[in-house]
Amino acid sequence: LAKTTQPISMDSYEGQEVNITCSHNNIATNDYITWYQQFPSQGPRFIIQGYKTKVTNEVASLFIPADRKSSTLSLPRVSLSDTAVYYCLVGERGSGGGADGLTFGKGTHLIIQP
Amino acid sequence: EAGVAQSPRYKIIEKRQSVAFWCNPISGHATLYWYQQILGQGPKLLIQFQNNGVVDDSQLPKDRFSAERLKGVDSTLKIQPAKLEDSAVYLCASSLRVNTEAFFGQGTRLTVV
Repeated sequence: LAKTTQPISMDSYEGQEVNITCSHNNIATNDYITWYQQFPSQGPRFIIQGYKTKVTNEVASLFIPADRKSSTLSLPRVSLSDTAVYYCLVGERGSGGGADGLTFGKGTHLIIQP
Repeated sequence: EAGVAQSPRYKIIEKRQSVAFWCNPISGHATLYWYQQILGQGPKLLIQFQNNGVVDDSQLPKDRFSAERLKGVDSTLKIQPAKLEDSAVYLCASSLRVNTEAFFGQGTRLTVV
């Protein structure tokens, strides 16, 4: 399984765009990149998944360069409720975002201030 | 749509006692997972079921942990005997099938004293 490296913590302010970068130098050809969000006292929640270039949904965008050795989760106009832990995961999967064999690291603690 | 249900939400036991957690996945979801999340760390996969068969239990401490998913629906995770280091949140997740989005329950917070 490809190992991921992401910042332990980040902080920003309401209304700002937040970009969290994840490094995955050993990503394999069949691997997808998936991001999960976790609030205190809750289970993780799927945010977005991608294989290459850019993916966008109603919550976030995911940017993946051509070499796929890193990826950036972009949260537009964050609010206080976006304060959470964000996990970057890399592993083989299809077009969904399943947790099969996923290894969660320590994640990035994002703190949004007023 | 109802989410993944887990019970109990909290449990406190003494070391060497036994404990069981229950999970009811989203209706129709064939794949079920149990994770252990120690404070300050990300979730660690303990076991994965596909219907009532085990797909991956490589990180399950089989000397004390066991899990079953009879009839391919509900699942129970048991610890016997518990150790202090088992204190953690135990998360259950389910997905429609392998390689599709997983949905997590709220977890059971276990404290072993």
